[in-house]
Amino acid sequence: QVQVVQSGAEVKKPGASVKVSCKASGYTFTNYYMHWVRQAPGQGLEWMGTIYPSTGSTAYAQKIQDRVTMTRDTSTSTVYMELSSLRSDDTAVYYCARGDSGTYRIEYWGQGTLVTVSS
Amino acid sequence: DIQMTQSPSSLSASVGDRVTISCRASQGIRNHLAWYQQKPGKVPNLLIYTASTLQSGVPSRFSGSGSGTDFTLTISSLQPEDVATYYCQNNNGAPLTFGGGTKVEIK
Repeated sequence: QVQVVQSGAEVKKPGASVKVSCKASGYTFTNYYMHWVRQAPGQGLEWMGTIYPSTGSTAYAQKIQDRVTMTRDTSTSTVYMELSSLRSDDTAVYYCARGDSGTYRIEYWGQGTLVTVSS
Repeated sequence: DIQMTQSPSSLSASVGDRVTISCRASQGIRNHLAWYQQKPGKVPNLLIYTASTLQSGVPSRFSGSGSGTDFTLTISSLQPEDVATYYCQNNNGAPLTFGGGTKVEIK
């Protein structure tokens, strides 16, 4: 069965960086996009970007494109999302989620990783 | 970038009511739209993709319609378990923007 398992919660100081991992299993890792979506407390869903594991190509939301990097390791079926220069408004639950290569629809979500930015 | 605007932002309806949620894209996205349901404290769940295709396992009281810039999610008979926030998402290519969400409550 398809599984997407994320790394655990993080607490960071403003200005620091965070790197969240997302390990996929139960399907051909290189055939599907992996999206990153975040949700600040009490707020809506925000698409951050995506990576296509087969080629490593990425697309990022304009709002954070200067601070985010998404990478993958095909040997371990793992994708990574690194966000730098953290601010308090980056405090959120970060989800990785598998996207269909044809329709981009998201059928499988990770459990979420809470990143707290606080001094 | 494409903006996705949902309305209303919240609604309250009685069990058995027909509920409609609107989503407007700032430019045409053909039928490349998905709807998600997020219950409190849970991860989002895919309901509809390509504007009107019901995801496997989703109750048939959910339906989607629209094309171009205007889309609708309909719950034909609201049930207590449908209390959630509903989001539309552009699936026409990056950025895959979400709408702001519609919170559905029972009156």
